[in-house]
Amino acid sequence: GAGVSQTPSNKVTEKGKYVELRCDPISGHTALYWYRQSLGQGPEFLIYFQGTGAADDSGLPNDRFFAVRPEGSVSTLKIQRTERGDSAVYLCASSPQTGAVSGANVLTFGAGSRLTVL
Amino acid sequence: AQSVSQHNHHVILSEAASLELGCNYSYGGTVNLFWYVQYPGQHLQLLLKYFSGDPLVKGIKGFEAEFIKSKFSFNLRKPSVQWSDTAEYFCAVTRNSGYSTLTFGKGTMLLVSP
Repeated sequence: GAGVSQTPSNKVTEKGKYVELRCDPISGHTALYWYRQSLGQGPEFLIYFQGTGAADDSGLPNDRFFAVRPEGSVSTLKIQRTERGDSAVYLCASSPQTGAVSGANVLTFGAGSRLTVL
Repeated sequence: AQSVSQHNHHVILSEAASLELGCNYSYGGTVNLFWYVQYPGQHLQLLLKYFSGDPLVKGIKGFEAEFIKSKFSFNLRKPSVQWSDTAEYFCAVTRNSGYSTLTFGKGTMLLVSP
């Protein structure tokens, strides 16, 4: 598509529930990133995919968070046993190439999925 | 690891006032620098970027930023703001060698009154 698409745009869930957030990157982009933006903060890195594999998952806060990208395009961020502290906007971004950010390899962000855990 | 500090969390200006938003980063090596903007209800958009060359970079909508290596700074400027510039502005940095995550500052909320 023309941009990075994220669904749902809003998700309200109860503490302890399981949540999936979906990201559809720009067509042809091989690199995909997930970020989390809490209230009053800038986006914080969660995980980076090169194609189908997670090349860097150092930003995932704990093992309740997991992400997949099985066919190298759409990615799903999965959160188990949600906690109130997980409430945030989850941003997805893609870039044309993997590896270093460069003049031709800039991240384009989606509108985000706002997760509220009650 | 690199980090970014944005000096002001909130800035309020009247239309036609000049704007300067501060951004400092901490990393000893070569960096790439960015300013992203998020208008109300919209997604993050790239405003401008610096990779190398002329340290004064020009972006969209009349914005510019100057990279001052000795001060580890990349301040955003606009000579005359408009009401439509009301938005949140984020400075970000990556290392300029190999793979590096994009690290953001906490953002500055700019409110321009008509």
